[in-house]
Amino acid sequence: DAGVTQSPTHLIKTRGQHVTLRCSPISGHKSVSWYQQVLGQGPQFIFQYYEKEERGRGNFPDRFSARQFPNYSSELNVNALLLGDSALYLCASSFTQFGSYEQYFGPGTRLTVT
Amino acid sequence: AQTVTQSQPEMSVQEAETVTLSCTYDTSESDYYLFWYKQPPSRQMILVIRQEAYKQQNATENRFSVNFQKAAKSFSLKISDSQLGDAAMYFCAYRTYNNNDMRFGAGTRLTVKP
Repeated sequence: DAGVTQSPTHLIKTRGQHVTLRCSPISGHKSVSWYQQVLGQGPQFIFQYYEKEERGRGNFPDRFSARQFPNYSSELNVNALLLGDSALYLCASSFTQFGSYEQYFGPGTRLTVT
Repeated sequence: AQTVTQSQPEMSVQEAETVTLSCTYDTSESDYYLFWYKQPPSRQMILVIRQEAYKQQNATENRFSVNFQKAAKSFSLKISDSQLGDAAMYFCAYRTYNNNDMRFGAGTRLTVKP
């Protein structure tokens, strides 16, 4: 079975632009979470979507938004990009929302804002 | 606020030797999960081991084991018979049972010397 996939692998944007990152979960997984990992730090939780609804949100500004589609794939959108948005964006999928579930991570999208 | 602290930015071990990575966390919750993730240069986060807080027995996965001290809020990872493929960033993470926000530490970079 295919693992979590993310696209694109790398992305370079200019300050003020908008970006859309995409994630396809493992088949059968209904939950998708997004994390931001700034260089030299651990991942920081942005969103969780389960059954196409937002179930959790981290401490990120409203410039960050996401959605989940009927096939459980997800998009992360970031508006009005800042230099500080440069990071590795990780997507993780899991079968369920709560409990001792294991999250499976994708390879990430490296976003560079210039 | 729940925080995770990894006090060792870098660690080094000789091949076939044993190394222990430290992690402490702060929480007022009683039900939670603790994780160790490995992130090699390929960037993909891989779950190494998981511990449920209600379980007194320390988790073990082949060469990987944890020392979970609930009262001390300590969760260390022991890697036995270290292999060159163990070289990576290791992240300690915490999540409550019904909260989607997984908190990560800053990571420990493990180098394995041949």
